[in-house]
Amino acid sequence: EILMTQSPATLCVSPGERATLSCRASQSVNNHLGWYQQKPGQAPRLLIYDASTRSTGVPARVSGSGSGTEFTLNISSLQSEDFAIYYCQQYYYLPRTFGQGTKVELK
Amino acid sequence: EVHLVESGGGLVQPGGSLTLSCAASEFTFFTYWMTWVRQAPGKGLEWVANIEKDGSDRYYGDSVKGRFTISRDNTKNSLYLQMNSLRGDDTAVYYCVRGGFSLDWWGQGTLVTVSS
Repeated sequence: EILMTQSPATLCVSPGERATLSCRASQSVNNHLGWYQQKPGQAPRLLIYDASTRSTGVPARVSGSGSGTEFTLNISSLQSEDFAIYYCQQYYYLPRTFGQGTKVELK
Repeated sequence: EVHLVESGGGLVQPGGSLTLSCAASEFTFFTYWMTWVRQAPGKGLEWVANIEKDGSDRYYGDSVKGRFTISRDNTKNSLYLQMNSLRGDDTAVYYCVRGGFSLDWWGQGTLVTVSS
């Protein structure tokens, strides 16, 4: 099973600042990597797929990069609606696996 | 807009069984892989199982293999999860999700509580 490790566990950011979230895979997953956002009491939402492609309706301030084992989610100029938990997920191998999440909270 | 509505959750005793259903609408169901993902209270996401478009291939997470069965009925636009030999650590919200790779549309989930 591929282990996905996200860092940091918690990221404290002020509105308008940039957030950088990391995700590392225990083996190369090529670019088969997705990022999801989850707000309290809500289902997750797909933000990024194939490591760098924004899903429908995702604003341009959200971007993904990386391939192989190292991936990054960047949110430039954080807005109030961006404070949430973010998960990465690999879909190169079965079983699919998620990272443990990074909580982005208000500084 | 894509609609996924889970049902069938509830309280079940350890060792018991439960079947979850997911009604899909507003998309061509039989052209998509489908997935179940769960989330224990206060915890992260755990991939449970997925099923190919015509139901011919099914894959499971290690923690549920041999106990859970994923299935679908493309004539009814429905996805199912049969859960047997339930344990306390199966307590979670279970999400029905469109996709077998990236997961692009999620239902609101149904809560399964395993407790005596």
